[in-house]
Amino acid sequence: EIVMTQSPATLSVSPGERATLSCRASQSVSSNLAWYQQKPGQAPRLLIYGASTRATGIPARFSGSGSGTEFTLTISSLQSEDFAVYYCQQYNNWPPVTFGQGTKVEIK
Amino acid sequence: EVQLVESGGGLVQPGRSLRLSCTASGFTFGDYAMSWVRQAPGKGLEWVGFIRSKAYGGTTEYAASVKGRFTISRDDSKSIAYLQMNSLKTEDTAVYYCTRLRPYYMDVWGKGTTVTVSS
Repeated sequence: EIVMTQSPATLSVSPGERATLSCRASQSVSSNLAWYQQKPGQAPRLLIYGASTRATGIPARFSGSGSGTEFTLTISSLQSEDFAVYYCQQYNNWPPVTFGQGTKVEIK
Repeated sequence: EVQLVESGGGLVQPGRSLRLSCTASGFTFGDYAMSWVRQAPGKGLEWVGFIRSKAYGGTTEYAASVKGRFTISRDDSKSIAYLQMNSLKTEDTAVYYCTRLRPYYMDVWGKGTTVTVSS
């Protein structure tokens, strides 16, 4: 089973600043990585797939990069609606599909 | 509008069974694999299992934590996916989300249904 490790667990950022979230896989997942956003009381929402492709309707301030074992989600200028928990998920080696434990982006 | 709506959650005693339903609309349900993901209170996301489309045999895969207890099925004529949960344990308490697979990331999520396993 591929283990996904996200860092940091919590990221404190001021509105308008840049946020950089990391996700590391225990072995290569090529570019088969997705990012999801989850706000309190809501279902997760797909942000990024294929490591760097934005899903439909996702603003350009969200960008993904990386391949192999190291991945990054960058939010270029945080808006109030971006404060949430973010999860990465690998879909290269399955089953099982595996998620990271999440990074909470909170207001500084 | 593409939509998934889960139903069937509730309070159930340990050892009992429960069946969740996921009703899809806005897309050709039979063309897609479907998955279930759960989230225990205050915890992260855990993949439960998925079912392939009939074009790929309609076969299923499960997480080790539920294999042998949970069964996923589908009725393409009704655009519904099911999660049959048997021998429920307290650790199965979670919000259960139905998702569409693209494959195998999850591009559409339902709002979830809550399952509480407690005596």
